[in-house]
Amino acid sequence: DVKVTQSSRYLVKRTGEKVFLECVQDMDHENMFWYRQDPGLGLRLIYFSYDVKMKEKGDIPEGYSVSREKKERFSLILESASTNQTSMYLCATREWGRGTDTQYFGPGTRLTVL
Amino acid sequence: DQQVKQNSPSLSVQEGRISILNCDYTNSMFDYFLWYKKYPAEGPTFLISISSIKDKNEDGRFTVFLNKSAKHLSLHIVPSQPGDSAVYFCAARPLGTGNQFYFGTGTSLTVIP
Repeated sequence: DVKVTQSSRYLVKRTGEKVFLECVQDMDHENMFWYRQDPGLGLRLIYFSYDVKMKEKGDIPEGYSVSREKKERFSLILESASTNQTSMYLCATREWGRGTDTQYFGPGTRLTVL
Repeated sequence: DQQVKQNSPSLSVQEGRISILNCDYTNSMFDYFLWYKKYPAEGPTFLISISSIKDKNEDGRFTVFLNKSAKHLSLHIVPSQPGDSAVYFCAARPLGTGNQFYFGTGTSLTVIP
């Protein structure tokens, strides 16, 4: 079974703080993703990475950065947290090939920025 | 601009009956579609997928139908069970890019015992 873990389930931070969200996978998948989920907006892609040190912007990268120094770990960084970044953050990996293409998600981090 | 749309935010169905969840998309380059199920406080889990070369894929109680001309897909759950109560997201992947999936806004299904 694919296992995707996220460092925190719940996080409360103050406006202006630097926030690190960590994601670790144990399946040697090359692709990893960060999404945020908001009511009425579904899942929106922030950044993804297709290999170590490689990253691509998703649909809503503003206010975020990412780091992928090791294959199993993909970090999302909020350089200066703002209240509009209060959201559920979901990390995912991707498995594809042999007719299949799917993403495996972590349990999510509920971030509240005060 | 939402390329994948789920126009029904919620759906209630009696246990044992059929649940039909709908999804529309606008990008004709999408060639692979998926449904995910999400319980509260958990990440989405993969449910079923379909390639654009097919119009139906079945897995147990779950069947996904794809109508390419209408740019519409649907998920049928028969028979519905209370444990199916969750939020369902459809997702689509464009041909060629291979990396980005586009998700709908989700439909919250409640199966009433």
